[in-house]
Amino acid sequence: VLVTQTPSSLPVSLGDQASISCKSSKSLVHNNGITYLAWFLQKPGQLPQSLIHTVSNRFSGVPDRFSGSGSVSDFTLKISRVEPEDLGVYYCLQYVHYPLTFGSGTKLEIK
Amino acid sequence: QIQLVQSGPELKKPGESVKISCKASGYTFTDYAMHWVKQAPGKGLKWMGWINTYTGKPTYADDFKGRFVFSLEASASTANLQISNLKNEDTATYFCARWRVYYGFAYWGQGTLVTVSS
Repeated sequence: VLVTQTPSSLPVSLGDQASISCKSSKSLVHNNGITYLAWFLQKPGQLPQSLIHTVSNRFSGVPDRFSGSGSVSDFTLKISRVEPEDLGVYYCLQYVHYPLTFGSGTKLEIK
Repeated sequence: QIQLVQSGPELKKPGESVKISCKASGYTFTDYAMHWVKQAPGKGLKWMGWINTYTGKPTYADDFKGRFVFSLEASASTANLQISNLKNEDTATYFCARWRVYYGFAYWGQGTLVTVSS
């Protein structure tokens, strides 16, 4: 399954809203009705941080300025009011079809 | 608390082998599968495959069949990744990640940098 993530680079001002798109070549809806799409943030030199699972559910401790939405094969991560600690590379991951596939990444940086 | 602690960086020559470990703590090791993810320098994340920590059965993505072996030391709550006949393109950071149905990857190791250079 091909996962196309855009844009590859996203310059923002602190306090702005940021939006990242992730589109898959197949439906990510499992037979059980659940859609398996996740989002991660990787800061330079660090391990990926898990932000969101099943499209829109935040992991424990993730601020509510991060929100995920979408359905079937078209998904969006929104960050309202970007803060300095939000900078890094964001990846989406589809985990319904094997092999699992990541998007190519979006670098969120200061304008 | 749940932790995945990986072994330290490795510098190897082409043709050599390397074994990376991922030690889990804070949960029952055999209750959750372990996945492996590769990140070449400056590149994105690539899924390598996974190992069933209860049965020991590994599953490999196509690009990682042949020279890559996932194994367990279940008594030590440790998953291992061994790469044989190393090539320059194996230079990367390798992450282990704990899998949970529905949630996917909630916990990651800190990564192990493998550098292959003559």
